Amino acid sequence: QLQLQESGPGLVKPSETLSLTCTVSGGSISSSSYYWGWIRQPPGKGLEWIGSIYYSGSTYYNPSLKSRVTISVDTSKNQFSLKLSSVTAADTAVYYCARQFRAFDYWGQGTLVTVSS
Amino acid sequence: AIRMTQSPSSLSASTGDRVTITCRASQGISSYLAWYQQKPGKAPKLLIYAASTLQSGVPSRFSGSGSGTDFTLTISCLQSEDFATYYCQQYYSYPRITFGQGTRLEIK
Repeated sequence: QLQLQESGPGLVKPSETLSLTCTVSGGSISSSSYYWGWIRQPPGKGLEWIGSIYYSGSTYYNPSLKSRVTISVDTSKNQFSLKLSSVTAADTAVYYCARQFRAFDYWGQGTLVTVSS
Repeated sequence: AIRMTQSPSSLSASTGDRVTITCRASQGISSYLAWYQQKPGKAPKLLIYAASTLQSGVPSRFSGSGSGTDFTLTISCLQSEDFATYYCQQYYSYPRITFGQGTRLEIK
């Protein structure tokens, strides 16, 4: 059974860089069929796609976040990562990683990241 | 970017009711639409993809229809576990995707 697990700091200071890693188990991140994505959800609000990456390293980002987002992949560790720079309170959210084959069929449990000094 | 608009934003219903949620795309997306269910504190769960195909393990009381710009999610006989928030998502521009704003289904 495929599992995804987000990890990283739960508290980030304003203007700093948010960094999260998603570890995939029970399957290979190098599968040619899938992209791997990051989605976030501010408290009490809806879902926002951040971006997605293919195992080869090809990336696609939400235009509204593109200037601040970097997604990378480490196939040797079966992980992919998110960096979001210059964060503000508006970036406080639950961050999810997920497997994407058109739709997102497997999700991590999510991790709350709070931006506060 | 393709915008997805759901209606209503919230609705109240009773167990046993039939409910329909609508999702409209800002441009034609063929049948490249998915529906998710999200319960408080949990990750979204994929219910339907390709507008009308049930994900494995999803009860048959859930159904989806539509193509082009207008789509519906129908729950034929509401169960207590169905009270949740529902999201549509287009993947016409895959892997670039967009979600609807969500529809909260509450107990009347």
